[in-house]
Amino acid sequence: DGGITQSPKYLFRKEGQNVTLSCEQNLNHDAMYWYRQDPGQGLRLIYYSQIVNDFQKGDIAEGYSVSREKKESFPLTVTSAQKNPTAFYLCASSMVRPGRGYNEQFFGPGTRLTVL
Amino acid sequence: QQQVKQSPQSLIVQKGGISIINCAYENTAFDYFPWYQQFPGKGPALLIAIRPDVSEKKEGRFTISFNKSAKQFSLHIMDSQPGDSATYFCAATMEYGNKLVFGAGTILRVKS
Repeated sequence: DGGITQSPKYLFRKEGQNVTLSCEQNLNHDAMYWYRQDPGQGLRLIYYSQIVNDFQKGDIAEGYSVSREKKESFPLTVTSAQKNPTAFYLCASSMVRPGRGYNEQFFGPGTRLTVL
Repeated sequence: QQQVKQSPQSLIVQKGGISIINCAYENTAFDYFPWYQQFPGKGPALLIAIRPDVSEKKEGRFTISFNKSAKQFSLHIMDSQPGDSATYFCAATMEYGNKLVFGAGTILRVKS
C-alpha cells in the first residue's frame, strides 16, 4: 500500500518544548516538502528537500528545522522559537524529473499540533 | 506577499448547481496551475490542472477556465453534489520547478 504517512495525527505540546513530526513515504520520490496550513491562509511552505542530505528553506522556515538522512523520511522539528506553532502540518512528496514537466505533489494525511 | 489570490473564501451551492471559484496570480513566470481538493482532516489531492497554452480544460464535471492576459483562472464544478463539499485550493508553479504557491482556499458546501 503505497503512500505518505504522518504521525502522530494529533500532537499536544507545552510552551517551550520542541516537538518532532514524522513523515515517511514509500513512493520512491526524491523530493519531500513540509507545509503549514492555517484557516484562511492556504498552505505555506516551511522546508523542502530534493535529495538526501540536502534541504532548502521555504517561505516560513523560522522556528522549524528538518533533516533528510534517508530518502523515505523527512522529519520536521517545531522548536520553542516558533512563536505560534498551533496549526495543521502537511507533508508531501514528488518525483524529480528535470525537464519533464510538472511533478505532482502527493500529500500525507497531516498532523494537527496544538500548543497548550 | 500573496502571489495567488483566491475567492470566495466560502461558497454554498444547491445540489445540481454550478460552483465557481476564482483565482488571480501576479508572477508571469508561473506556467502550471493545479487545483487541489481537501476533505476535512485529510491532505489535499490533485483534482485538475492546466497549462497557459489552453483556455479551458474539462475533466468530468470539473472545468478550468484560463485567461492568460488577465492572469486569472477559475474552477467550475457542474451539477455540484454533496460529495463535492470540501476545501478547494488553486495553486501556481513553474512547470519545471517544484515549489507550489497556494491560494487561501475556498470552503465549498453543497446543500442537498
